[in-house]
Amino acid sequence: DAMVIQNPRYQVTQFGKPVTLSCSQTLNHNVMYWYQQKSSQAPKLLFHYYDKDFNNEADTPDNFQSRRPNTSFCFLDIRSPGLGDAAMYLCATSREEAGISYEQYFGPGTRLTVT
Amino acid sequence: AQSVTQPDIHITVSEGASLELRCNYSYGATPYLFWYVQSPGQGLQLLLKYFSGDTLVQGIKGFEAEFKRSQSSFNLRKPSVHWSDAAEYFCAVGMEYGNKLVFGAGTILRVKS
Repeated sequence: DAMVIQNPRYQVTQFGKPVTLSCSQTLNHNVMYWYQQKSSQAPKLLFHYYDKDFNNEADTPDNFQSRRPNTSFCFLDIRSPGLGDAAMYLCATSREEAGISYEQYFGPGTRLTVT
Repeated sequence: AQSVTQPDIHITVSEGASLELRCNYSYGATPYLFWYVQSPGQGLQLLLKYFSGDTLVQGIKGFEAEFKRSQSSFNLRKPSVHWSDAAEYFCAVGMEYGNKLVFGAGTILRVKS
């Protein structure tokens, strides 16, 4: 089945130690997203890639970076994690054609703990 | 700017009872509307979507939703709830052009036997 895969499912990192979360997709979608979801809150969009074009949300901290080396993979890098960055990180993909963006498909998420 | 309101933070229903989760949106143009479900510790699963056409849309797991433009609503319904439906439900609105989804705060559904 076509799907969105996130690795690892659980990640523990130390305060200030860089961490990378991974997302891959077999849907061949041209748009990939990263969301942060804190406990009992809605997902919050951090940034997205339309093909190789990176689109950052205005309120996304500089501490968060992303890379998309090819259509299938996208990475979330947190350069210096703080305690406030502990959250579930969700990757999603969608197809966009002629300026119209269709539904987003989500991966299972990576639960990040910062100690 | 678009926004989504889910007025009920928690809802408890008995197994076998009917369910309606409310969603109101604010958006000036034609909205794309979605309902997602999230089980604890999991990602979001798409239940159904509305882009255009028939205002009553059918989704997976026996869910349906009705788009009412006059009320700016997109309420989710299920005629008979199962214990496995206990989860958090998010309504979301997307712009016709652009990639951003705006989510409501979510409604936690509890099912009692």
